[in-house]
Amino acid sequence: EPEVTQTPSHQVTQMGQEVILRCVPISNHLYFYWYRQILGQKVEFLVSFYNNEISEKSEIFDDQFSVERPDGSNFTLKIRSTKLEDSAMYFCASSLSGAGGLSGEQYFGPGTRLTVT
Amino acid sequence: AQSVAQPEDQVNVAEGNPLTVKCTYSVSGNPYLFWYVQYPNRGLQFLLKYITGDNLVKGSYGFEAEFNKSQTSFHLKKPSALVSDSALYFCAVRDYKLSFGAGTTVTVRA
Repeated sequence: EPEVTQTPSHQVTQMGQEVILRCVPISNHLYFYWYRQILGQKVEFLVSFYNNEISEKSEIFDDQFSVERPDGSNFTLKIRSTKLEDSAMYFCASSLSGAGGLSGEQYFGPGTRLTVT
Repeated sequence: AQSVAQPEDQVNVAEGNPLTVKCTYSVSGNPYLFWYVQYPNRGLQFLLKYITGDNLVKGSYGFEAEFNKSQTSFHLKKPSALVSDSALYFCAVRDYKLSFGAGTTVTVRA
């Protein structure tokens, strides 16, 4: 069964450093997402991506964040200058249909645990 | 804004007993509702969804959920719980993104 994969599983970085979290969505999916879950809190939406551009983003997704689909398979989240409060589990997800086909379920990767020290 | 609420942080049941995990929603328009499960060190796994049609939706691993418009609820149910069902369960509502509830930790004791 196809699945979303994420690397690394755990990333430790120092405050102020740049990190790139990587995801490989399911191959025929067209919509891609990043969510995060701070320890003990809800899963929160960060950004959605379709047709090589951001389609929606939350207020969390400020100028420190960027996303890219550098090739036909990878989808990355970059945090330019990490802060302590960026420590969280980051989940990538993909779906076949997006908001235009609201029924499309999103398939999630196992997550990358980011620890900022 | 669309939202869901999961009123219980924890649900504890004995193996073989029925399991119910509660969820209520607040949306404008038609709700698109989902249940996901998270096992330790794993991502969120899709269980089932309600878009339209029958109010009783069947999903993976023997789970089902009942959409109740008058009570704005979408409770997850399983007639006979297994120890392996112990996990964190999230209800979610979707427009262009998924908005999740806080999650309910289910513990099924042998």
